[in-house]
Amino acid sequence: EPEVTQTPSHQVTQMGQEVILRCVPISNHLYFYWYRQILGQKVEFLVSFYNNEISEKSEIFDDQFSVERPDGSNFTLKIRSTKLEDSAMYFCASSATDPREGETQYFGPGTRLLVL
Amino acid sequence: AQSVTQLGSHVSVSEGALVLLRCNYSSSVPPYLFWYVQYPNQGLQLLLKYTTGATLVKGINGFEAEFKKSETSFHLTKPSAHMSDAAEYFCAVNQGGKLIFGQGTELSVKP
Repeated sequence: EPEVTQTPSHQVTQMGQEVILRCVPISNHLYFYWYRQILGQKVEFLVSFYNNEISEKSEIFDDQFSVERPDGSNFTLKIRSTKLEDSAMYFCASSATDPREGETQYFGPGTRLLVL
Repeated sequence: AQSVTQLGSHVSVSEGALVLLRCNYSSSVPPYLFWYVQYPNQGLQLLLKYTTGATLVKGINGFEAEFKKSETSFHLTKPSAHMSDAAEYFCAVNQGGKLIFGQGTELSVKP
């Protein structure tokens, strides 16, 4: 069964460093997302991406964050200068068709980011 | 804005007992509702969803949920808990294409 994959599973970085979290969505999916979950808190939407551009972003997704689909398979989240409060589990998700019609979003296993 | 509330951050049941995980939502439009499960060290897996049509929705692993518009609820049930059901369960509502999640309910199953 096709699945969303994410690398790395864990990443430890120093405050101020850049990190890139990588995701391979399900191959025929067209819509892509990043969510995050700070320990003990809700899963929060960060950004959605379709047709090579951001569809929607949350207030969390400030200028320190960027997303890219560099080729036909990868979808990346970059944090330019990490802060302590960026420590969280980051989930990538994808859906085949327009999520506004109730389409299922399929989630990857997550990358746990720890900023020291 | 839509929101989701899950009553009870931890629920404990005995093996074979009924599982009931509560979810209430607020939405100004007909909602699309989802239940996801997260097993330890794994991602979020879809259990079931409601979009339109029949209000009683059946999902994987024997779970089902009923959409009750009058109560703005989408509670998750399973008649008989199994040890393998121990996990964290998330209710979510689709708001314009993004998912708004509840805080999650951790289910533990006692032998």
